[in-house]
Formats: sequence, structure tokens, C-alpha cells
Amino acid sequence: NAGVTQTPKFRILKIGQSMTLQCTQDMNHNYMYWYRQDPGMGLKLIYYSVGAGITDKGEVPNGYNVSRSTTEDFPLRLELAAPSQTSVYFCASRPATRDNEQFFGPGTRLTVL
Amino acid sequence: ILNVEQSPQSLHVQEGDSTNFTCSFPSSNFYALHWYRWETAKSPEALFVMTLNGDEKKKGRISATLNTKEGYSYLYIKGSQPEDSATYLCASNYGGSQGNLIFGKGTKLSVKP
Repeated sequence: NAGVTQTPKFRILKIGQSMTLQCTQDMNHNYMYWYRQDPGMGLKLIYYSVGAGITDKGEVPNGYNVSRSTTEDFPLRLELAAPSQTSVYFCASRPATRDNEQFFGPGTRLTVL
Repeated sequence: ILNVEQSPQSLHVQEGDSTNFTCSFPSSNFYALHWYRWETAKSPEALFVMTLNGDEKKKGRISATLNTKEGYSYLYIKGSQPEDSATYLCASNYGGSQGNLIFGKGTKLSVKP
């Protein structure tokens, strides 16, 4: 199993550009999450999904969109990138059973200039 | 707003020292407490998931305890090694089996040889 994979690993965007961060998991997990991690801060939840076709906002959803058309994929879309979106983005997944830990991808480091 | 606090923010110890750090969380509506180990340039990996008051879990030289009534968990590392150097994150779940995690800011541990 590859686990949770994310692409790209690094990206530099100009203000106003758009991009999609890709996340794929091969563990057949129902739950998937997108977090951002800023220096000195804990992981903040952007969006999450409890299964294909179902998504919901987390703590910091503004400026982002997601979709979940398959169990495996959970892309995060940035429209009109802003410097405040400079961060490290982590995708995670977990099974639906209770008390299960989340499995994290390697992260995408995004800089918006 | 639910807040998960970790202390200390950072810790420097010598190889062979034993150390511990704290995670504090609101005790009402508590469901589960997670500990993750996050090495630089890697993704967070789960150490423990605990749900019961008085729970104690162990993995090698690392152990954790949980007090849900007073809202804290301790993580202990016995005989620290340089490879233990990492940021240790705790996260609390209040929403039951479908609940999302609220992360603390982490404790960064550096172990000098």
C-alpha cells in the first residue's frame, strides 16, 4: 500500500492564480481530511469528507473548495490564491470505525507571492 | 471554541534523559485523545489513541496516560535517544466516532547526543 499520497510536494503561486492539490489514498478509508499547518500553530482543519459525494467545512474553509467523487481521491482547490494561503497542507484519511488514528500524507508546501 | 494546549512548547534534553510533556483539553463531551509523532520533513504518525479515563498505553520507551475527568494526558519518553527528536502532537475528539480532531500546537523535543 502506498498509503496517502499528495502532489505536488512544493509549489509557488502568484497572487490570484488557482491550483489543485491532489490527495489519494489506497486504504479504502471513508474519512478524508485537509489540514493546513502554519508556523507556531497546530494543524487546522480546512475541509473533510465522510465518504464519496459528501464533504463539509472545517475550521478554516474560506478560499478553498473540495470534491469527493471517489473513495480514493480528495482534491483541494485554491481559487484566487492569496499570501495568507502560504502554508504546508496535509491530507489525511482514516477508517470509519471508532477510535482510529488518522494516516497523513507527506504534505504540500505552498508559497503564494 | 475548544482549545487543546500542550506544554512545554519546546524541550532540549541530553541523550539518556527521561522526559515528559503535557496535553490539556476540555473534559466535557470528551471522546478520544490522540498522540502523533512528527519528524521534520515527514508526515505525522500516530502513537496512541486513548479513550478511557485512567488508560495507559506503551510503545517501546514511549508511554502515555489519560485523565478524562481533569482533562489532561501525559506523554513519557524513557531514556531519550537522538532519534526521538520530533514534534509531538496531541489532538482531542469531541464529536464521537464521526468527530474531527482538534490539535494542539505540539511540543518540539530535541535530544542531544
